[in-house]
Amino acid sequence: GENVEQHPSTLSVQEGDSAVIKCTYSDSASNYFPWYKQELGKGPQLIIDIRSNVGEKKDQRIAVTLNKTAKHFSLHITETQPEDSAVYFCAASEGAGSYQLTFGKGTKLSVIP
Amino acid sequence: GAVVSQHPSWVICKSGTSVKIECRSLDFQATTMFWYRQFPKQSLMLMATSNEGSKATYEQGVEKDKFLINHASLTLSTLTVTSAHPEDSSFYICSVPGQGFTGELFFGEGSRLTVL
Repeated sequence: GENVEQHPSTLSVQEGDSAVIKCTYSDSASNYFPWYKQELGKGPQLIIDIRSNVGEKKDQRIAVTLNKTAKHFSLHITETQPEDSAVYFCAASEGAGSYQLTFGKGTKLSVIP
Repeated sequence: GAVVSQHPSWVICKSGTSVKIECRSLDFQATTMFWYRQFPKQSLMLMATSNEGSKATYEQGVEKDKFLINHASLTLSTLTVTSAHPEDSSFYICSVPGQGFTGELFFGEGSRLTVL
């Protein structure tokens, strides 16, 4: 089955700096890679996703890159703000028609004002 | 994205009692919903797939007689934790697929269960 590794487990950055979270996956059949943000006591919120036919996707301060050959994908948050503090999870699945998401262990991001 | 509502958001119960958690898809019908469990500071683990009009599919290691799932309508799935024990204390989260078989999953706000 799929195995998703996520690093780092914790990350502290100064407000305004960039944050990068990296994930690797094992199953070459995976082609859908979402990122979720989970605030304390709440459910995960889908913030961005990427499919294997795309190398990079950007939405305002958030971007995701995918290297399918190396089987890794990354989340980039620029100009971080205190409200970006949360736990971020990466995940992988075979995409269309498959909802079997395999999650990484999460990264706790702290943005220091 | 899909709007998913869970109720209750938190519940405390005595050991041996049963607790029901509801998950509703508010903006479109969902023939399939998913139930996850999350222990403190850990990732999400899929427990079961809820199928409208048929039996749920459980992941390996999840007791189907303990975690009863009912998907009676296209907008409602319920998870009942039967004869709850302290080790069942966890954060239970349901999710609903986005429209169009894209692979997107949208999660509810979760239900915190504490068993005394």
